[in-house]
Order: sequence, then structure tokens, then C-alpha cells
Amino acid sequence: GIQVEQSPPDLILQEGANSTLRCNFSDSVNNLQWFHQNPWGQLINLFYIPSGTKQNGRLSATTVATERYSLLYISSSQTTDSGVYFCAVEETSGSRLTFGEGTQLTVNP
Amino acid sequence: GAGVSQSPSNKVTEKGKDVELRCDPISGHTALYWYRQSLGQGLEFLIYFQGNSAPDKSGLPSDRFSAERTGGSVSTLTIQRTQQEDSAVYLCASSRGRREGYTFGSGTRLTVV
Repeated sequence: GIQVEQSPPDLILQEGANSTLRCNFSDSVNNLQWFHQNPWGQLINLFYIPSGTKQNGRLSATTVATERYSLLYISSSQTTDSGVYFCAVEETSGSRLTFGEGTQLTVNP
Repeated sequence: GAGVSQSPSNKVTEKGKDVELRCDPISGHTALYWYRQSLGQGLEFLIYFQGNSAPDKSGLPSDRFSAERTGGSVSTLTIQRTQQEDSAVYLCASSRGRREGYTFGSGTRLTVV
């Protein structure tokens, strides 16, 4: 099956800092999503982005499908951004998302 | 409904008992997925329903696990003869279709004692 690698595994920031999270995947995909899991366990869909670039407020994401990676940018981080960020992909021959191990983000005040 | 609803939110059961977990997806969402997340781990796919098609059961870890989706809406995940390794958070998600964003419910935390 497809492999999904996220980096870094852990990231600690001061409030106001910017960060970039990376997701590499091992095969062609037709579905890529980014999720934020807050400290209470709720998974929130941030982006559906199999290719191209999208922006939503302080967050943006870029997927370069031909090079098999996606980036999630967080600008002017806030303490409420803390949690785990998951990248998930569906390979072209698949039927569901395969999740990476996540990046644990801590934003300190 | 406005979101994906799961019940119960917490379930403690004795080893060997059967449990049923319920998922009520967003109205009109044809795709429904079950995942589970063990403590500190990523998400493991269990089963996928799409409309009236046969479900993709390839992620079910053993024949003690089964799921159904009635009328293309509510889904029930059943675990028979629960074991301690079944302890996890069971998450349900729905989407408008296969190439659409998922919306997850809040999950059911299952503890087998």
C-alpha cells in the first residue's frame, strides 16, 4: 500500500511564528487531505487538496502531485493551533484515505 | 444533521462482551468510513460504504468485527467477544463522494476491561 511520511514529527513554536509541515507519499494520488486533531481529539478537515494551492485564513496548502509531496503552511501561529496535523492520501487505485503518523504542534504563549 | 454524530461517546465493557457503536452521517453524504485510533497512534482504516455498492471491508482486523449501513444512512459497527486490544477511539467520517473532503465525528472511546 501507499506510504505517507510526515515531517517533522514534533514542532514547538512561540506564538506568532510561522511554520511549514511536509507530507511525502510514495505513489500517485487522487485525493489528499490535511486534518487538525485538537487536544480534545476532534478531527477537523483543513483542506481537500489533491493538487494545486489553497488558502484559508492563516493556513495554506500546496500539493505537487508529480513530485509526491504536500506542504501545509501556518502563519502567525496561535496557541489554538496546537494539536496534531495529519496528512492523508488516497492512491489512484484505492478507495479510502491512508493517514500519516502526524506532526505534533505545540504553540507556546 | 449539521455534523457526523456518534454514540455512545464513551463505552466501558468487559472482555468477551459484544458492543455496538453507532454513526449518523451528514444528510446526503453517500460515503461513510470507519477508522480507529489507538492511544498515541495514527488512524487505521476499518471499512468503507459508498451508496448501494458492496462495502470495502478490507481493513477489518478480524471476523469479530462487522458493520452495516441501513438505508444508506446510519451505520453500526459491531465488535463481538471484545478483547483488550480492541480498546481505542472509533471514528466515523462521511463525505459527499469518494473525491470529497471527509467530515469526522467526535468518536467513541471504547475501553475493554
